[in-house]
Amino acid sequence: DAKTTQPTSMDCAEGRAANLPCNHSTISGNEYVYWYRQIHSQGPQYIIHGLKNNETNEMASLIITEDRKSSTLILPHATLRDTAVYYCIVRGPYNQGGKLIFGQGTELSVKP
Amino acid sequence: KAGVTQTPRYLIKTRGQQVTLSCSPISGHRSVSWYQQTPGQGLQFLFEYFSETQRNKGNFPGRFSGRQFSNSRSEMNVSTLELGDSALYLCASSSQGSGQGFEKLFFGSGTQLSVL
Repeated sequence: DAKTTQPTSMDCAEGRAANLPCNHSTISGNEYVYWYRQIHSQGPQYIIHGLKNNETNEMASLIITEDRKSSTLILPHATLRDTAVYYCIVRGPYNQGGKLIFGQGTELSVKP
Repeated sequence: KAGVTQTPRYLIKTRGQQVTLSCSPISGHRSVSWYQQTPGQGLQFLFEYFSETQRNKGNFPGRFSGRQFSNSRSEMNVSTLELGDSALYLCASSSQGSGQGFEKLFFGSGTQLSVL
């Protein structure tokens, strides 16, 4: 079973920041938080990951709370092309086994 | 680098038949995972291979099997197809072994299987 809880859907106005929350209250100390997104009819695309610290890359920012029980993915200036299903996943180090389990994700609709 | 390549892109089969799907990972990637995606169940993990060994397996019946070759290419096979096997089958590769513990999965576009 997925270890994360996300809202089913969200709307965002084009050009505004999209803030996608994720709850992972049972996360273990060595588990990473990953975000992927899936645009219709395509395979999921890696966005960002983090362990304890906040992270930023060219696509997004990831804010992880101090207790690590929740996180927020931020798309700073959402465009229509960001309309997709966003998945938040937690998983331990790859060399400790464990499966990458996708939940139902958040369907983000970016509107003009 | 070329991305993850899955063939064929579309496939139509009838109940009772078997099917083999192919996945070529990104060059240098040794881990290949397979997922089934349906509208009702979402993305479900099938299995993962690393250096020709199955390392993880999801909760699917034995009709679903896979293998990985020495060049990291992978195939999955579904025998005795059922209508419920109609789905998008996705393959992902990753470059595990960096020692950093995290991994990025790179997904292919999938094979859309329709069972009639």
